[in-house]
Amino acid sequence: NAGVTQTPKFQVLKTGQSMTLQCAQDMNHEYMSWYRQDPGMGLRLIHYSVGAGITDQGEVPNGYNVSRSTTEDFPLRLLSAAPSQTSVYFCASSFSALGSYEQYFGPGTRLTVT
Amino acid sequence: GDSVTQMEGPVTLSEEAFLTINCTYTATGYPSLFWYVQYPGEGLQLLLKATKADDKGSNKGFEATYRKETTSFHLEKGSVQVSDSAVYFCALNMEYGNKLVFGAGTILRVKS
Repeated sequence: NAGVTQTPKFQVLKTGQSMTLQCAQDMNHEYMSWYRQDPGMGLRLIHYSVGAGITDQGEVPNGYNVSRSTTEDFPLRLLSAAPSQTSVYFCASSFSALGSYEQYFGPGTRLTVT
Repeated sequence: GDSVTQMEGPVTLSEEAFLTINCTYTATGYPSLFWYVQYPGEGLQLLLKATKADDKGSNKGFEATYRKETTSFHLEKGSVQVSDSAVYFCALNMEYGNKLVFGAGTILRVKS
C-alpha cells in the first residue's frame, strides 16, 4: 500500500513551458485535491475532485488544469508556466468529500519556474 | 470567508520544555479543526483533530481543545523532544465539504 505518490519530486521549468504533475493513490479514495505551499501562506487549494469525472476549482485555480479519468489518478497540468507558480505542490486524498475524513498527503513536488 | 490564524514562528525550545502554539479561526458555520505536522522533506501528516465544540484531540503527547467561545484550537505538549522539530499547521474544514483551509504554519525547533 503506497498511499499517495507524486512525481516528479523536483522540476525546473522555463517560463512558458508546460508540464504535468502526476498524483496517484491506491486507497480507493473518492476525494482528491491539489494544494500549493508558499512561505508564510500555508497550503492553498488549487483544484479538487469528488470522484472520477468530477472536478472543481479551489482558492487559486488560475494557470492550472485538472482531470480525473480514474479513481486512482489526478494529474495537475500547467499549460504555460510562470515564475509565480514556483512552489511546492501537494496532492491529497480522502475517503469522501463529505465530512471530516482525514486527508492523506503525498510527499510533494518542488517546482521552480525561471 | 473562512480563515485560520496561527502564531508566527519560529518557536525555539529546549528539550522537555512546554509547548503552546496558538490557533484561532473564523468560520461561518461549525468547522472541524485539525493540526497537521510536516517533518523536513516530507508531506503533511494528520496529528490530531476535533469535530465539535469542547472535543479534545490528542496524539503522541500533543493535545488541542476545540473552544467555540474563543474560536481557538491551541496545540500543547507538556515535554517536547528534538524529534518534534517540524512545521505545524492548524486547519479547518466545513461539514459540507472536505476542503481544508490552512494557517500559515509554525516552525518548531527543539534543541537538546
